[in-house]
Amino acid sequence: ETGVTQTPRHLVMGMTNKKSLKCEQHLGHNAMYWYKQSAKKPLELMFVYSLEERVENNSVPSRFSPECPNSSHLFLHLHTLQPEDSALYLCASSHGGSSYNEQFFGPGTRLTVL
Amino acid sequence: GQQVMQIPQYQHVQEGEDFTTYCNSSTTLSNIQWYKQRPGGHPVFLIQLVKSGEVKKQKRLTFQFGEAKKNSSLHITATQTTDVGTYFCAVINSGGSNYKLTFGKGTLLTVNP
Repeated sequence: ETGVTQTPRHLVMGMTNKKSLKCEQHLGHNAMYWYKQSAKKPLELMFVYSLEERVENNSVPSRFSPECPNSSHLFLHLHTLQPEDSALYLCASSHGGSSYNEQFFGPGTRLTVL
Repeated sequence: GQQVMQIPQYQHVQEGEDFTTYCNSSTTLSNIQWYKQRPGGHPVFLIQLVKSGEVKKQKRLTFQFGEAKKNSSLHITATQTTDVGTYFCAVINSGGSNYKLTFGKGTLLTVNP
């Protein structure tokens, strides 16, 4: 186990639903990341939080809303998603808040939008 | 934005054969990291290269960073079935945000026992 947990592991939602993905890291890191992994596309960085402040917002649609209440927890709030948002959503954490440091990934949430 | 080309997209080998994946950038890189993702799994960090011309080895895996810091390779000697998975390179371009890691599309390696 990498010390990064994500819940739920699988999620099916309709386009009008509101749901949240949760990530928790037990590694004492101070940076956390959300990535989207779709078939046939590179892993896409969505958001980065360092010391609980958002430092990267990679042109992500507003229907994705991140929240980082403390350095151990990261949420991704979802509302009015589209079918093309179906993907594996990966959370990662690192020490030092820089991508010069290795990132530890959680197992991901497999999201299906109907 | 920063893009990195990774080739080949797929590679199928017989067990015992060697395997190499390449990562190329048009711009100078600050560093490069390599990750492995097993089928159904999540990316796991393998190594980071920072210095021009750097070569690092991990058992049967050899990682190289080009002299111009624009390309890198991962070579596996005598593949085993446990090597199956997708290998990604990930980069930070020089002068870019230290937080933004850009991943290649990955090379999916399958090994025939």
